[in-house]
Amino acid sequence: AQTVTQSQPEMSVQEAETVTLSCTYDTSESNYYLFWYKQPPSRQMILVIRQEAYKQQNATENRFSVNFQKAAKSFSLKISDSQLGDTAMYFCAFSSYLIQGAQKLVFGQGTRLTINP
Amino acid sequence: DSGVTQTPKHLITATGQRVTLRCSPRSGDLSVYWYQQSLDQGLQFLIQYYNGEERAKGNILERFSAQQFPDLHSELNLSSLELGDSALYFCASSVGVAGDETQYFGPGTRLLVL
Repeated sequence: AQTVTQSQPEMSVQEAETVTLSCTYDTSESNYYLFWYKQPPSRQMILVIRQEAYKQQNATENRFSVNFQKAAKSFSLKISDSQLGDTAMYFCAFSSYLIQGAQKLVFGQGTRLTINP
Repeated sequence: DSGVTQTPKHLITATGQRVTLRCSPRSGDLSVYWYQQSLDQGLQFLIQYYNGEERAKGNILERFSAQQFPDLHSELNLSSLELGDSALYFCASSVGVAGDETQYFGPGTRLLVL
């Protein structure tokens, strides 16, 4: 079974700093997808960024970028120029394509990120 | 706003009771997923429906059931509720079942079993 591990339960940085959240996963599949979701205090789950495993190029979305190391099964999220609104719980997720037409997300335990003014 | 709606937002009930959670997917999305978020278990996949058919099952208890209706909205039924069922229940939707679908989440239903 696939597993996702986030080894940093909590992190705290100052506004405008850069922060990197770690994520490792375990799978025997060769084709899969990885996601970072953000859960602010409102508890809404918001997609931050996604990465296709077959793509070597790291995904980027404005201030958010990933470092995808397929061989190491590592998928870290870098937030540049952090803002107060980035304060949230961040979840790394693995998309398991089970069989034709079926899919599920496997989540890590989350990293609580606090941006301090 | 993801476009996925869930009702009710909050639900308080007693042990042994039955509740129904409702989800409407984004316009055009055919797949609906249910997840449970609890303090001890984290975020766990429960079940997926695609165009009215069950497609994948995760850690869903036998006391729980779901269905997707012809208008594509979905309901999650929780029966014989226990204290441990208290959690945040999310519905998510995606366009189809291509395997690379991005899932968009609703705001969740917070269930408290007393």
